[in-house]
Amino acid sequence: GAVVSQHPSWVICKSGTSVKIECRSLDFQATTMFWYRQFPKQSLMLMATSNEGSKATYEQGVEKDKFLINHASLTLSTLTVTSAHPEDSSFYICSARGTSDYSYEQYFGPGTRLTVT
Amino acid sequence: AQSVTQPDIHITVSEGASLELRCNYSYGATPYLFWYVQSPGQGLQLLLKYFSGDTLVQGIKGFEAEFKRSQSSFNLRKPSVHWSDAAEYFCAASSGGYNKLIFGAGTRLAVHP
Repeated sequence: GAVVSQHPSWVICKSGTSVKIECRSLDFQATTMFWYRQFPKQSLMLMATSNEGSKATYEQGVEKDKFLINHASLTLSTLTVTSAHPEDSSFYICSARGTSDYSYEQYFGPGTRLTVT
Repeated sequence: AQSVTQPDIHITVSEGASLELRCNYSYGATPYLFWYVQSPGQGLQLLLKYFSGDTLVQGIKGFEAEFKRSQSSFNLRKPSVHWSDAAEYFCAASSGGYNKLIFGAGTRLAVHP
């Protein structure tokens, strides 16, 4: 149980285009989803927290107009990187926390590698 | 500022040897503490967590961790490492159960046969 998927697993896009990454909780309802960014050989940095039906809360320094997050249902959140540039190339990871999960655990997706050329 | 430090970027051990991965935290109060493992192509998997109570925590895959308040540490241990344990290990903390996680930089574990 508690499986989170991401799609696509990797994507290459041209500079200036937008790309959407999906994060789905497959077997549970996720009240809260998190989006992280991980640079090579570095740690995970939280970008934003989204609660179903509400606007996402972005961490300091994260451009909310560039990284659009939508959490329209209890099983799906999307991250859209708008007008992508090479510096946006990174590994993006989502996690989800359930509605009735009192263990506070976040379940992580496998990540999406974005390369902007 | 709240932070999590993993002093060892890379550790190599022989298969069958014991392992200890270090983690130190800096928080105003005792945070909730977690250890995750990240393998290529897979999501982060929770190994164990500490909220309160017994300071020695047992996790999955034979791992355990010990919380030491006096040292602000939460080190991960395994008595005998298997080749399949080679992966990236992250220590993380949050100031409350529903608060955001702050991750350490990670320790990459290599296992020699």
